[in-house]
Amino acid sequence: EAQVTQNPRYLITVTGKKLTVTCSQNMNHEYMSWYRQDPGLGLRQIYYSMNVEVTDKGDVPEGYKVSRKEKRNFPLILESPSPNQTSLYFCASRPRPDDWTSVHEQYFGPGTRLTVT
Amino acid sequence: SQQGEEDPQALSIQEGENATMNCSYKTSINNLQWYRQNSGRGLVHLILIRSNEREKHSGRLRVTLDTSKKSSSLLITASRAADTASYFCATGNFGNEKLTFGTGTRLTIIP
Repeated sequence: EAQVTQNPRYLITVTGKKLTVTCSQNMNHEYMSWYRQDPGLGLRQIYYSMNVEVTDKGDVPEGYKVSRKEKRNFPLILESPSPNQTSLYFCASRPRPDDWTSVHEQYFGPGTRLTVT
Repeated sequence: SQQGEEDPQALSIQEGENATMNCSYKTSINNLQWYRQNSGRGLVHLILIRSNEREKHSGRLRVTLDTSKKSSSLLITASRAADTASYFCATGNFGNEKLTFGTGTRLTIIP
């Protein structure tokens, strides 16, 4: 089954304790992205990756890191989490990010609800 | 900054009625997409309309796009209780490397 998986689904942690949220897709997609969703703000992009070893900042990258060593995985790293990073996080993927004639929809993971106390 | 702004923020209608949601955006786009999100779940793609298209249909969904007004609408006909969800528009830029999402419309269908 084609899907995007995220782990963990729920996480409660304390300020300053490094954490990683994993994301994996089995569709051989080149483009992957992380979003956070907060009430009244919709989805905001944190980082995205056009392909292996190619990553770039989205709209709200502060406090986050990513890496793309393999095509299927795109982990989100919070080196020193703070309470303002409490949010619902979504990973997404889609194929061929720069094909103007064949725009594809994004596939989303189920979400990771993170609480930082 | 947010590219898309949905209107209304929340909408409640009786089952069987039609639901219309609007999306406005600020800059030129390559495409506009609509997604649905059930409570606490991931987003699911519904329909995509390109900048050179004016209207598109998919089942009970009808999307229009007016690039001169920088706006789009999503019409769900003959609504069902299962349509209860949040609906988001997302715009794709000409580089196609990024989708920018709006803040969403919360739709409630009353049985």
